[in-house]
Amino acid sequence: EAGVTQFPSHSVIEKGQTVTLRCDPISGHDNLYWYRRVMGKEIKFLLHFVKESKQDESGMPNNRFLAERTGGTYSTLKVQPAELEDSGVYFCASSQVHLDGGQPNEQYFGPGTRLTVT
Amino acid sequence: RKEVEQDPGPFNVPEGATVAFNCTYSNSASQSFFWYRQDCRKEPKLLMSVYSSGNEDGRFTAQLNRASQYISLLIRDSKLSDSATYLCVVYGQNFVFGPGTRLSVLP
Repeated sequence: EAGVTQFPSHSVIEKGQTVTLRCDPISGHDNLYWYRRVMGKEIKFLLHFVKESKQDESGMPNNRFLAERTGGTYSTLKVQPAELEDSGVYFCASSQVHLDGGQPNEQYFGPGTRLTVT
Repeated sequence: RKEVEQDPGPFNVPEGATVAFNCTYSNSASQSFFWYRQDCRKEPKLLMSVYSSGNEDGRFTAQLNRASQYISLLIRDSKLSDSATYLCVVYGQNFVFGPGTRLSVLP
């Protein structure tokens, strides 16, 4: 079974440009998460989709970031316009439905997209 | 104060050593707890969930103390392949990652 895939693996853009990251979760996984790791910092939660709905977007840094998951399959994360501080590794993860009582199921992470804004 | 804190590391230990990692969390409403490992420039992978009664998986033992808001991971008989960064992850409303503790197991 294919794992979580992300595209592109690397992206170098100039400040002010737009970049769109894509995540394809494991087939059948309703939960999809986006995370970001800025150099020297811990991995930070950005948002959580359940199917096509945004369950929690409390971690999105500002309105330059837009995430979508049309049809509840793959997801995109667009940064427009990009700023220098957006540089980092963006991870996507997916999981099956939460267990009874709302406990989360195991997350499977994609390899990440390394974004460099110059 | 960070929501999840871990030993700063790095830990450099010889093969066969026993090593323990500590983690504390600030949100008393946290429900679920995990240890992930992350190899250099790779994605995090789940090592084990942490249950209230403590749990063991081969050479790895995880403990949870809800009263002290403390989680630990013990690795026995460490192998070269255990070299990685170990991430403490806490779930309440969403997943909160600690900064990680890097382990190097030396021959």
